[in-house]
Amino acid sequence: GAVVSQHPSWVICKSGTSVKIECRSLDFQATTMFWYRQFPKQSLMLMATSNEGSKATYEQGVEKDKFLINHASLTLSTLTVTSAHPEDSSFYICSARDPGLAGEQYFGPGTRLTVT
Amino acid sequence: QKEVEQDPGPLSVPEGAIVSLNCTYSNSAFQYFMWYRQYSRKGPELLMYTYSSGNKEDGRFTAQVDKSSKYISLFIRDSQPSDSATYLCAPAKAAGNKLTFGGGTRVLVKP
Repeated sequence: GAVVSQHPSWVICKSGTSVKIECRSLDFQATTMFWYRQFPKQSLMLMATSNEGSKATYEQGVEKDKFLINHASLTLSTLTVTSAHPEDSSFYICSARDPGLAGEQYFGPGTRLTVT
Repeated sequence: QKEVEQDPGPLSVPEGAIVSLNCTYSNSAFQYFMWYRQYSRKGPELLMYTYSSGNKEDGRFTAQVDKSSKYISLFIRDSQPSDSATYLCAPAKAAGNKLTFGGGTRVLVKP
């Protein structure tokens, strides 16, 4: 299957600072990537859809000024959590859409963010 | 009511048994049905997907979709301890569209 990587896998930051998470599709070009967050023992919640070369589409209730998404190339999307607070601590996972007919999504390994 | 519902489990089975997982949904617009496996603290791994109603088999995995009853199933034959994970169903309205995840079913396969 297709491979998607994320960096970093784990990050701790102080309250008020910003953190950038990278998502890369390693063996295919992804015009569309998705960003999710997952709290312990809960399912994935879609935050936004990222399209290469255009603005991201955010889900209802997600602050676009807080969660900045950039999809500058066909293999890289970034999520920046600005002015992070402890309640932003979560597991952030990206996925990349396969350009094939079914458009299935392949997920990265996730980034665990802890804000102190 | 959530759009996609799954029994959270845990579903505990002995090694070698058949694991039967189910998922119901309410949106009749869903056309593509994905199954993902997620190990603790890892990203979901795509197991298989089906389009519309019918069956699909891939190795030890069989997926079934009954659109008339809005019911999705995943069967795992000859289960192994390494199959212990959370299984997520995730339908979509069209190819490449955003997925709507169920809450997941936790499976434990005991040696």
